[in-house]
Amino acid sequence: DGGITQSPKYLFRKEGQNVTLSCEQNLNHDAMYWYRQDPGQGLRLIYYSQIVNDFQKGDIAEGYSVSREKKESFPLTVTSAQKNPTAFYLCASKGGTSGLTDTQYFGPGTRLTVL
Amino acid sequence: QKEVEQNSGPLSVPEGAIASLNCTYSDRGSQSFFWYRQYSGKSPELIMFIYSNGDKEDGRFTAQLNKASQYVSLLIRDSQPSDSATYLCAVTVSGGYNKLIFGAGTRLAVHP
Repeated sequence: DGGITQSPKYLFRKEGQNVTLSCEQNLNHDAMYWYRQDPGQGLRLIYYSQIVNDFQKGDIAEGYSVSREKKESFPLTVTSAQKNPTAFYLCASKGGTSGLTDTQYFGPGTRLTVL
Repeated sequence: QKEVEQNSGPLSVPEGAIASLNCTYSDRGSQSFFWYRQYSGKSPELIMFIYSNGDKEDGRFTAQLNKASQYVSLLIRDSQPSDSATYLCAVTVSGGYNKLIFGAGTRLAVHP
């Protein structure tokens, strides 16, 4: 089955802890993304990567870090510097080279709650 | 700041009716436009995309794009209770196709 997997589905973090969210894809997509969704709000871009060993900050990168050591993996670390991390975290990937029609596909998400 | 605006709803329509969802965007350079459906507690799934002015039909769904008015819409014909979800509009950031800006979504409720 081709697709995007995220783990864990639910994650609980204590104050001051760093946690890492996993995102894996077997679609052979070059680009990968991390978004955050808060209740009643749209998706906000945290980080994105267009190619292995390269990534860029999105609109709300503070308190987060990523790595892209393999094409299929793009883990997100939520650090203790992120003051309000409780949210639904979505990973997406995008393949293709046509530009106009290239589409982002989403994983099932990780719901992070700070205790 | 580049923005995508959607009416939050809920938009309530009877089963079998046409649901019309609207989206406006501020970035005149945006070139591709996407509609995603998101059920409560789930991740967004792509319904369709459009990049040329006019209408694009796919089954019960029709996307409409008017770049001059910076307006994109989604029509759902013969609405079903299973269509009840939040619909997210997303547009590409000008200057490249690698980033999307999302609206907050419109919640659609189809009642029997």
